Amino acid sequence: NAGVTQTPKFRVLKTGQSMTLLCAQDMNHEYMYWYRQDPGMGLRLIHYSVGEGTTAKGEVPDGYNVSRLKKQNFLLGLESAAPSQTSVYFCASRITGGPLYEQYFGPGTRLTVT
Amino acid sequence: AQTVTQSQPEMSVQEAETVTLSCTYDTSESDYYLFWYKQPPSRQMILVIRQEAYKQQNATENRFSVNFQKAAKSFSLKISDSQLGDAAMYFCAYVRGGGGADGLTFGKGTHLIIQP
Repeated sequence: NAGVTQTPKFRVLKTGQSMTLLCAQDMNHEYMYWYRQDPGMGLRLIHYSVGEGTTAKGEVPDGYNVSRLKKQNFLLGLESAAPSQTSVYFCASRITGGPLYEQYFGPGTRLTVT
Repeated sequence: AQTVTQSQPEMSVQEAETVTLSCTYDTSESDYYLFWYKQPPSRQMILVIRQEAYKQQNATENRFSVNFQKAAKSFSLKISDSQLGDAAMYFCAYVRGGGGADGLTFGKGTHLIIQP
C-alpha cells in the first residue's frame, strides 16, 4: 500500500497562474481532506469530501476549488494563484465511521507563489 | 467553534530526560477525540497517540503517554527517555465524534528540541 500520495511535491507559480494538486489514496477511504500549513500555524482545513462526487467547505476555502470524481482521488485547484496561497498543502483520508477517527496524511506539497 | 491551544512554541530537553507538552482545547461536545501528531523535518505528519473522550484511562504508546483532564479540557503529552529522533514539531488536534466527517482542528504546534 502506498497510503496517501500527493503530486507534485514542490511547485513555484507566478501570481495569476493556475494549477491542480492531486491527492490519491489506495486504502478505500470514503473521507478525504485538504489542509494548508503556514509558518507558526497548525494545519487548517480547506475543503473536504465525504464520498465520490461530494465536496464541502472547510475553515479557509476561499481561492480554492476541489473535485472528487473518483473515490481514490481528491483534486485541489487554484484558479488564479496569489502570494497569500504560498503554503504547504496536505491531503488526508480516513475511513467512514469506526472508533478511531484517525486521518492518514500525505507527504505534503510545498507551493510558492511569486 | 472548537479551538486548540498549545502555549509552548518551543521546548528543549536533554536526551534521556522526560518532557511534557501542553495542550488545552475548548468544545461544547461530549463526544470527541484528541490526537498528538509529530512532524519531523521531512514534514510527514505522524500520529503519536490518540485519546477517546469517553475513556477515563490515559492513553499510552511505549515512551509516549497523555494526561487527559476532561473537566479542565487539558491534554498534555509526556515523552519519557527522550531520544534524538523525537526532535520535531508536535501538534495537538481535536475532532468531534458522533460519526461525522469533520476535519481535525489543530493547535499551532510546539517545536521540541532534544539536546544531546
